[in-house]
Amino acid sequence: GAGVSQSPSNKVTEKGKDVELRCDPISGHTALYWYRQSLGQGLEFLIYFQGNSAPDKSGLPSDRFSAERTGGSVSTLTIQRTQQEDSAVYLCASSLVQGMNTEAFFGQGTRLTVV
Amino acid sequence: SQQGEEDPQALSIQEGENATMNCSYKTSINNLQWYRQNSGRGLVHLILIRSNEREKHSGRLRVTLDTSKKSSSLLITASRAADTASYFCATDRNYQLIWGAGTKLIIKP
Repeated sequence: GAGVSQSPSNKVTEKGKDVELRCDPISGHTALYWYRQSLGQGLEFLIYFQGNSAPDKSGLPSDRFSAERTGGSVSTLTIQRTQQEDSAVYLCASSLVQGMNTEAFFGQGTRLTVV
Repeated sequence: SQQGEEDPQALSIQEGENATMNCSYKTSINNLQWYRQNSGRGLVHLILIRSNEREKHSGRLRVTLDTSKKSSSLLITASRAADTASYFCATDRNYQLIWGAGTKLIIKP
């Protein structure tokens, strides 16, 4: 596609439910990143993929969070047993090469609200 | 943890004036990037400056980097209403970008 696509754009879920967020990066971009942004804050790193592997999962806030990437393309971020503090905008970005030494392209984000 | 810290947190100026935002960081970097985030939109890359560069221009944007002071500045000249947005600096650490909380810029007509 022309840009990074994320779905859904908005998600309201009840506390305790599981949610799955999807990111479709720019074709050919091997690096994929998930970030979380709370209202008025900067970006919090969650996880990074190089191809299908995730060298660094240290940013995931708890074991309720998991992510996978298949075929070196689409990635899903899953949050199990959602809590109210999970409410935030989840942003996905992709870049052409490892190391973020080139421009990162961001999707529009998924706004998650846990009620 | 945050690597970059933008200053000021908020800035309000008249259209046509210049806007200057600063970013300080803590550890050595390979490059520093500036991004803009409009309300309701994603982040858009503005400019990347490498650690061996001191100044870079792109249209109305001018970025400086002082690695000895671990700081960078973003200057927007002849501001326009469309420049109203939050501006973030991001520094690379290995394979990830570390972000500050941003400067909220408001351009008054």
